[in-house]
Amino acid sequence: SAVISQKPSRDICQRGTSLTIQCQVDSQVTMMFWYRQQPGQSLTLIATANQGSEATYESGFVIDKFPISRPNLTFSTLTVSNMSPEDSSIYLCSVRGPSFGQYFGPGTRLTVT
Amino acid sequence: QQQVKQSPQSLIVQKGGISIINCAYENTAFDYFPWYQQFPGKGPALLIAIRPDVSEKKEGRFTISFNKSAKQFSLHIMDSQPGDSATYFCAASTGGSARQLTFGSGTQLTVLP
Repeated sequence: SAVISQKPSRDICQRGTSLTIQCQVDSQVTMMFWYRQQPGQSLTLIATANQGSEATYESGFVIDKFPISRPNLTFSTLTVSNMSPEDSSIYLCSVRGPSFGQYFGPGTRLTVT
Repeated sequence: QQQVKQSPQSLIVQKGGISIINCAYENTAFDYFPWYQQFPGKGPALLIAIRPDVSEKKEGRFTISFNKSAKQFSLHIMDSQPGDSATYFCAASTGGSARQLTFGSGTQLTVLP
């Protein structure tokens, strides 16, 4: 499986500010995915990030609110902009591993006050 | 058509019993069906996955049963242990594990000692 790390692991932020979440993978991957998991809920895809191209956003998510960077094949960032309490969630990145499977990072737990 | 419906929402099983969680889908283009286990404060961990060309896959105490005609798949946990207490998510995607996942709503499993 792929080894995925995320930073920060958790943060408490004030309304109106922005937070950038980092995702680092131990191997080169073409596609990285960003998901949101609201408290007690399932996972919802935010966007798909390919290296060298613009991220593809799912319905209900826009680039101005969740800008994504993908500078190389092992790293990506997701920024949560102009935060409100409704953005309080766990944010997860995932990648396809070297074998049959898609693997998730440990997540970033965000609380917006 | 992109939904994956999961049941039950919660499940309580005695130690040593069999835990069964069911999922149903509509999109016949789905070709990858993984199950994830998530402990509180952790990212989802890939348990087992199946492609639609097989009807069953077993890994240790975990078995996926797949019924293509009924568009249903299920997770069976044999000899359930208190350490299995977690939230379980089914998911599906088109294009194998390289594509974004559509998740079920999750099942909170409690295994009583």
